[in-house]
Amino acid sequence: EVQVVESGGGLVQPGRSLRLSCAASGFTFDDYAMHWVRQAPGKGLEWVSGISWNGGSIGYADSVKGRFTISRDSAKSSLYLQMNTLGPEDTALYYCAKDRGIAVAGLIDYWGRGTLVTVSS
Amino acid sequence: NFMLAQPHSMSESPGKTVTISCTRSRGSIASNFVQWYQQRPGSAPTTVIYEDDQRPSGVPDRFSGSIDSSSNSASLTISGLKTEDEADYYCQSYDSNNVVFGGGTQLTVL
Repeated sequence: EVQVVESGGGLVQPGRSLRLSCAASGFTFDDYAMHWVRQAPGKGLEWVSGISWNGGSIGYADSVKGRFTISRDSAKSSLYLQMNTLGPEDTALYYCAKDRGIAVAGLIDYWGRGTLVTVSS
Repeated sequence: NFMLAQPHSMSESPGKTVTISCTRSRGSIASNFVQWYQQRPGSAPTTVIYEDDQRPSGVPDRFSGSIDSSSNSASLTISGLKTEDEADYYCQSYDSNNVVFGGGTQLTVL
């Protein structure tokens, strides 16, 4: 059974950093692109970042470019999101998602349950 | 970058058919695949259509997708509406390592 499980969310002060993790299982992690998608309270889905199967292609939303860094570790079948200089606008439920293919195309077929990030003083 | 525009909300009766549109602002809708996701309250999204018109296993054939180059838009059609179809629906596409979601359509079935 394919599973992606997020962790690392929590309450953080503005300007601080946080690192999200996503543990993948039930599929060959190295064969697929992965994504982070967030959803602010009461709002729609917003793609945050994606990474290709081998890490060779990476994309970021303009809203997080220069502040967030996506990475993956094939040995641990894990996806990460390093979030720096957080602001209240980053408050959201962050989903880890598996792509159907190898490229950063957003053909998402599996979603995690999300981890909540709250940025507040 | 481009945007995907969806109606904010739609409402229809059980048993009827509804079509949700998704219009791409720049670039051809046919250039990159369109996906559709369903999100029920309190739950993670699930895929109902991928690659313009493909249904994942387990999704009923009441759900269908299409694209129209003349209007530069994609559509999700749900026929034989059921109350369980009440949810938010998001279209999504991409280009050059950039993924874009539409703003979502809140579908009410009553």
